[in-house]
Amino acid sequence: EVQLVESGGGLVQPGGSLRLSCAASGFTFSNFAMHWVRQAPGKGLEWVSVISGSGDNTYYGDSVKGRFTISRDNSKNTLYLQMNSLRAEDTAVYYCAKGTGGSCFSGHDYWGQGTLVTVSS
Amino acid sequence: DIVMTQSPDSLAVSLGERATIDCKSSQSVLYSSNNKNYLAWYQQKPGQPPKLLIYWASTRESGVPDRFSGSGSGTDFTLTISSLQAEDVAVYYCQQYYSIPFTFGPGTKVDIK
Repeated sequence: EVQLVESGGGLVQPGGSLRLSCAASGFTFSNFAMHWVRQAPGKGLEWVSVISGSGDNTYYGDSVKGRFTISRDNSKNTLYLQMNSLRAEDTAVYYCAKGTGGSCFSGHDYWGQGTLVTVSS
Repeated sequence: DIVMTQSPDSLAVSLGERATIDCKSSQSVLYSSNNKNYLAWYQQKPGQPPKLLIYWASTRESGVPDRFSGSGSGTDFTLTISSLQAEDVAVYYCQQYYSIPFTFGPGTKVDIK
């Protein structure tokens, strides 16, 4: 059974940093691209970032480019999102999601339950 | 960036009746080299993460009831629920994964009439 468990969310001040983790199990982690998607309270879905299975390729949404860094440790079956220079508008539930294939250009077939990030003073 | 729009914003349908949601992309998401539309549909119920229903515009994800179907190509797509059930009350999103940044539609809320 595929499981994705996010952690690392919490309250952080504007300008601060946070690192999210997503522990994966139930599939061959290194074979699949992994995504981060966020959802602000009461709002729709916003795609944040993707990393290829090998970790060689990464892509970002416009609103986080230059501030967030996606990475993965295939030996630990774990996905990360380093978030720097956080803003109030980054407040959201952050989901990790498994790509449907090895390509970054894929849908998301499994999602974690999400971790809430609140940016506020 | 590719802008995704959905219509209607919300709809209420009687149990057993058909529900239809439209999704339009600001540019084609059809990749000519493999003739695939890079378009997915998700269902999200309150307090839950999204669930993949349809990918490649018309391929139903494993385990998804066959009352859900996707159609369309290029820039115009449709999600159809052929016979609405109570458990289908949710918000539905389309998403393009053709070009970075991947983008979602604003969502369509489906309720029971």
